[in-house]
Amino acid sequence: EVQLVESGGGLVQPGRSLRLSCAASGFTFDDYAMHWVRQAPGKGLEWVSSVSWNSDTIGYADSVKGRFTISRDNAKNSLFLQMNSLRAEDTALYYCAKGLFGSMNWGLDYWGQGTLVTVSS
Amino acid sequence: QLVLTQSPSASASLGASVKLTCTLSSGHSDYAIAWHQKHPEKGPRYLMKLNSDGSHNKGDGIPDRFSGSSSGAERYLTISSLQSEDEADYYCQTWDTDIHVFGGGTKLTVL
Repeated sequence: EVQLVESGGGLVQPGRSLRLSCAASGFTFDDYAMHWVRQAPGKGLEWVSSVSWNSDTIGYADSVKGRFTISRDNAKNSLFLQMNSLRAEDTALYYCAKGLFGSMNWGLDYWGQGTLVTVSS
Repeated sequence: QLVLTQSPSASASLGASVKLTCTLSSGHSDYAIAWHQKHPEKGPRYLMKLNSDGSHNKGDGIPDRFSGSSSGAERYLTISSLQSEDEADYYCQTWDTDIHVFGGGTKLTVL
């Protein structure tokens, strides 16, 4: 059974940093791209970032480019999102998702339960 | 620019069928999409990948009541024999080189 468990969320002041983690199990982690998607309160789903199976292809939404960094550790079946210079508009539930294939340029087929990030002073 | 458009809301009666629509932006009518279901307080659930020719591959455990079809730039999700647990938000999603896009979502109410 595929399981994705996010952690690392919390309350943080504007301008500070936070690092999210996603622990994956139930599939061969290094065969698949991985993704971060968020949902702000009362809003829809928004793609944040993606990484291919071997990290050679990475993409970011314009809203986070230059502030967020996605990475993965295939030896530890883990996905990360380093979030710097956080803003109030980054407040959201952050989901980790598994890609359909190794390339990041395909859909997502499994999701975690999310970790909440609140940016407020 | 790659954009997906969905109606904000839809409703149908218990036991009936409903067809939700996701429209691809101009110039992208041959793109595949994915449909996802989102209940409040739960993580999203992948329903299917839907190709431009209407062929689709459903996720694990997705009931036969869920099906997809395509016409031009329109991608459809049909849910038949509606059940109360189908009341949820439904999102379409697509992708291009190094980017992903979600539609705004459709809130489905089961009457």
